[in-house]
Amino acid sequence: EPEVTQTPSHQVTQMGQEVILRCVPISNHLYFYWYRQILGQKVEFLVSFYNNEISEKSEIFDDQFSVERPDGSNFTLKIRSTKLEDSAMYFCASSGWVVEGYTGELFFGEGSRLTVL
Amino acid sequence: GQNIDQPTEMTATEGAIVQINCTYQTSGFNGLFWYQQHAGEAPTFLSYNVVDGLEEKGRFSSFLSRSKGYSYLLLKELQMKDSASYLCAVPSNTGKLIFGQGTTLQVKP
Repeated sequence: EPEVTQTPSHQVTQMGQEVILRCVPISNHLYFYWYRQILGQKVEFLVSFYNNEISEKSEIFDDQFSVERPDGSNFTLKIRSTKLEDSAMYFCASSGWVVEGYTGELFFGEGSRLTVL
Repeated sequence: GQNIDQPTEMTATEGAIVQINCTYQTSGFNGLFWYQQHAGEAPTFLSYNVVDGLEEKGRFSSFLSRSKGYSYLLLKELQMKDSASYLCAVPSNTGKLIFGQGTTLQVKP
C-alpha cells in the first residue's frame, strides 16, 4: 500500500537553529500539506502546496517557515530560526485530488517530532 | 469559517458500543471525515460522508445529517486496540482539512 514517509522521526535542536523536515508524498498525488500537533492539542493546518507553489497558508505559517519541492519527489518544511513554541509533531500529508473544495482522503506520514530546547 | 465540536473524552467497556458525536458549522459543506489517531502516531482515515445517512464499514459506522450540522461515529464490539483519539474533520472551501479537537476514547476491560 502506498504511504507517505517522513524523516527524521525525531529531531532535537537548540532555539534559533534551522530545521528541515522532509517528506516523500505518495507518488501520484498532487496536493501536499503540512500540519502540526502540539502535545495534547488538535491537528492544525500549516500550509498546502499544489503545482509547485503554496496554495494556502495559515496564520501559524509566518516568515520563519518555508516549503519546497526540490526534486519532484521530496517535499520539505524549513523552519529558519526555531522557537520553543515550535516544539510539536509535524505531519506531512498528501491527497490525490481536490475539486471545488471536495477533497480526496488525506494520507498522513508518521510524523516528525521536533523538540526545541 | 469552520467550527467543530466534539466531546473531549469518553470511556467505554470492551465489547460494548460507543457513539462519538461531532457538530460542525461551515460556510459551505464539502463532506465530513473521521480519522483515528493512536497516541504518538499519525491520523488514519476511517470514513467520509458527503450525503445524509449511515455508512457502515465493518465494526465502524459513520452518520451524517447536513441539516443539523451533525455527525457521529459508531464503534461496535469495542476492542482494547480501539483506545485512541477520534478526529472529526471538514474540508474548507479550498480543500484543506480542518480538524476538531478530537475525542479520546478509553476502552476498559
